[in-house]
Amino acid sequence: DADVTQTPRNRITKTGKRIMLECSQTKGHDRMYWYRQDPGLGLRLIYYSFDVKDINKGEISDGYSVSRQAQAKFSLSLESAIPNQTALYFCATSSFLAGGLSTPGELFFGEGSRLTVL
Amino acid sequence: GNSVTQMEGPVTLSEEAFLTINCTYTATGYPSLFWYVQYPGEGLQLLLKATKADDKGSNKGFEATYRKETTSFHLEKGSVQVSDSAVYFCALSADDKIIFGKGTRLHILP
Repeated sequence: DADVTQTPRNRITKTGKRIMLECSQTKGHDRMYWYRQDPGLGLRLIYYSFDVKDINKGEISDGYSVSRQAQAKFSLSLESAIPNQTALYFCATSSFLAGGLSTPGELFFGEGSRLTVL
Repeated sequence: GNSVTQMEGPVTLSEEAFLTINCTYTATGYPSLFWYVQYPGEGLQLLLKATKADDKGSNKGFEATYRKETTSFHLEKGSVQVSDSAVYFCALSADDKIIFGKGTRLHILP
């Protein structure tokens, strides 16, 4: 089984619908992230969470919300989907770098959720 | 703010050719630097990393050296294989965030 699991893997929906993408992890990491991947734009950070009570906006949080239900679960919601939110979405986890410095270490990614908004 | 700039692709090479993918960064302080690889239909996975100046990260025949004086972390491989075809992302870690470049698609022809 994958360490970081995303559901659904593919979703087609219509403009205005509410969509939730879910992420669960078995790595025991405190830090979880949602990224969006668009061709030619790389990965852009939507939201990140350092623990259950800590939620932070990334560079493109408008139109999205998140919920950290437990250490192992971090969901991304689109309250009212629009076509320019069509993208590949990745969840990732990390721990501190070795040495305990307050710097994110290696990211572990899920396999992605491809969302199409018509 | 912090940023990463990497060469645009696609890059097309013949098998056994030498590979360089350039990456430069802008950051305050002392970031850690990473190369991630994304194979078709998969998520990203860490290829190599370096946490301080002059460190060399290496894995699967790929290497990159953290050059503080030129703010660079170029990815190199001496002899590429068809199986190296993928998208490569340079990234930096600083201020509690990990920032990615736009990615470079690599095609290796047999």
